[in-house]
Amino acid sequence: AQSVTQLDSQVPVFEEAPVELRCNYSSSVSVYLFWYVQYPNQGLQLLLKYLSGSTLVKGINGFEAEFNKSQTSFHLRKPSVHISDTAEYFCAVSAILGYSTLTFGKGTMLLVSP
Amino acid sequence: NAGVTQTPKFQVLKTGQSMTLQCAQDMNHNSMYWYRQDPGMGLRLIYYSASEGTTDKGEVPNGYNVSRLNKREFSLRLESAAPSQTSVYFCASRGWDSNQPQHFGDGTRLSIL
Repeated sequence: AQSVTQLDSQVPVFEEAPVELRCNYSSSVSVYLFWYVQYPNQGLQLLLKYLSGSTLVKGINGFEAEFNKSQTSFHLRKPSVHISDTAEYFCAVSAILGYSTLTFGKGTMLLVSP
Repeated sequence: NAGVTQTPKFQVLKTGQSMTLQCAQDMNHNSMYWYRQDPGMGLRLIYYSASEGTTDKGEVPNGYNVSRLNKREFSLRLESAAPSQTSVYFCASRGWDSNQPQHFGDGTRLSIL
């Protein structure tokens, strides 16, 4: 079984500041890692995913994430945020072997103010 | 490109009433999922269907039933609604492989009085 911990339930930042949203996971097997974004009153959209290879993954809207196997982390970063980045962000994992469902973290609300 | 379509978008029920939430996808995906989202709880898996003809329980299946009607459609039924089932319900679909992302509908906001 897998579990995901998102360490911050809310992260307030000012526009044009950098941001990091933290995600740690626990799993007895190798996993795929995902970040999803949810804008108000919408479903979730994929931001980026790590499957294998380079540990730095680039996604949509200028976001990137780095996979750190030794620390079992997959933190999401953006060098300069916009008001439009205000949304809830979910980290998720699924096991590599066999059929696997997604396990989500509880989410981090990113609040960008002018 | 409709993707994943959920109906209805909003619904208010009284305790004890029954209801079916509908979900359809047009991406030829094998797998479909039902989640509920509650404040501070993230998304919790209710039921899923890995492929047409199969359904399995997720993390929080009690009080729900599902039907995989065909490859496109996956419905969620509340037989006797309870206030604890007030939530936002999301349907998602995915190809067979776990490395593929899930695609989500826009949700059904359900209130049970």
